[in-house]
Amino acid sequence: EVQLVESGGGLVEPGGSLRLSCAGSRFTFKNYPMTWVRQAPGKGLDWVSGISASGDSTYYADSVKGRFTISRDNSKNTLSLQMNSLGAEDTAVYYCARADFFFYMDVWGKGTTVTVSS
Amino acid sequence: EVLMTQSPATLSVSPGEGATLSCRASQSVSTNLAWYQHKPGQAPRLLIFGAFNRATGVPARFNGRGSGTEFTLTISSLQSEDFAVYYCQQYHNWPLTFGGGTKVEV
Repeated sequence: EVQLVESGGGLVEPGGSLRLSCAGSRFTFKNYPMTWVRQAPGKGLDWVSGISASGDSTYYADSVKGRFTISRDNSKNTLSLQMNSLGAEDTAVYYCARADFFFYMDVWGKGTTVTVSS
Repeated sequence: EVLMTQSPATLSVSPGEGATLSCRASQSVSTNLAWYQHKPGQAPRLLIFGAFNRATGVPARFNGRGSGTEFTLTISSLQSEDFAVYYCQQYHNWPLTFGGGTKVEV
């Protein structure tokens, strides 16, 4: 079964940084675009960032542009999200998701929780 | 940014009944529209892509329709496992955007 497993979540103080990772297995990771989607407590799904299969193209929501950086290592089947200058508004469950070429998300991980609080 | 608006916010339905969920885009997204099902504590699940194509393993009681700015997801004869929050998402333009969700409850 195709699988995505996120890691790296935790408690961080406002202004701090955190790096999330997502390990993909049982599919050809390098062939698929990937995305990060988050869900704040009591809120809906919120797209954060996306990256092309090769890693050459990256996309960001305005709310995270300049603070978050998405990257991937196709040799290790790993997706990452470097998050800097975190604020309370970034508190959420962060999901890694595999995307089709057209960027709808067909496989999702179970998420990792990020809490920004002092 | 394409704003996605879902209605109603909450839909109360009895098992065995049908449900129709609506999703409206602030500008045309053609048929670049997906629907997801999300249950608490679980990963979201892709139901529909391309406005009307069921994803692998999705039961035939889930049907998507629409194009341009108006879309619907119809669930015929709701089963107990169908009670969840449903989101639409457009992938026609960057940034990708989700609707606010419709909670289908008993």
